[in-house]
Amino acid sequence: GESVGLHLPTLSVQEGDNSIINCAYSNSASDYFIWYKQESGKGPQFIIDIRSNMDKRQGQRVTVLLNKTVKHLSLQIAATQPGDSAVYFCAESAGGTSYGKLTFGQGTILTVHP
Amino acid sequence: DGGITQSPKYLFRKEGQNVTLSCEQNLNHDAMYWYRQDPGQGLRLIYYSQIVNDFQKGDIAEGYSVSREKKESFPLTVTSAQKNPTAFYLCASSRSGHPPYGYTFGSGTRLTVV
Repeated sequence: GESVGLHLPTLSVQEGDNSIINCAYSNSASDYFIWYKQESGKGPQFIIDIRSNMDKRQGQRVTVLLNKTVKHLSLQIAATQPGDSAVYFCAESAGGTSYGKLTFGQGTILTVHP
Repeated sequence: DGGITQSPKYLFRKEGQNVTLSCEQNLNHDAMYWYRQDPGQGLRLIYYSQIVNDFQKGDIAEGYSVSREKKESFPLTVTSAQKNPTAFYLCASSRSGHPPYGYTFGSGTRLTVV
């Protein structure tokens, strides 16, 4: 089956740097993408989402970029802070008979050093 | 405040015992999901329900059972047939329909076999 995957399992950055977390997807029919942040021992929290009719969406300190041509998704975090240290998951809508059901990638561990 | 509540936060199971994990939401969401997360791993779908009195198996349903008698509740039973149940269990809910929507997650239940 098709799935969402991440290029990098870990990412270490210095406080104040910008972080970029990447995600590849293989289902060309996917039309909804979402990023979650999971802190240790907690449930994932919504960060930002994007639909396939857009290629960029900005939130507070975060930007999601969608490149449908190469099936690539990225999350950019500006001025990364120690509180941003967490596991970040991308997810896609599976479409078809499972419309609305999200498929999650494996996750990237982001570590921010003071 | 609306949200999704999982209980208990920690649960210990003896070999051969069935245990039930609770998940309640007051978000008026139609769809609910159960995921399993092992250390350092992503989320794997156990069961999901898109409407009351209906549910479907996910990728790793063996050894688990669910019910959806009320819109607000989606309990998960980990049966003695599940040979390796020690994991972090996450419940989520979402609106259903077109376009797809992101999930709201609970804070998780950590199950340990003793």
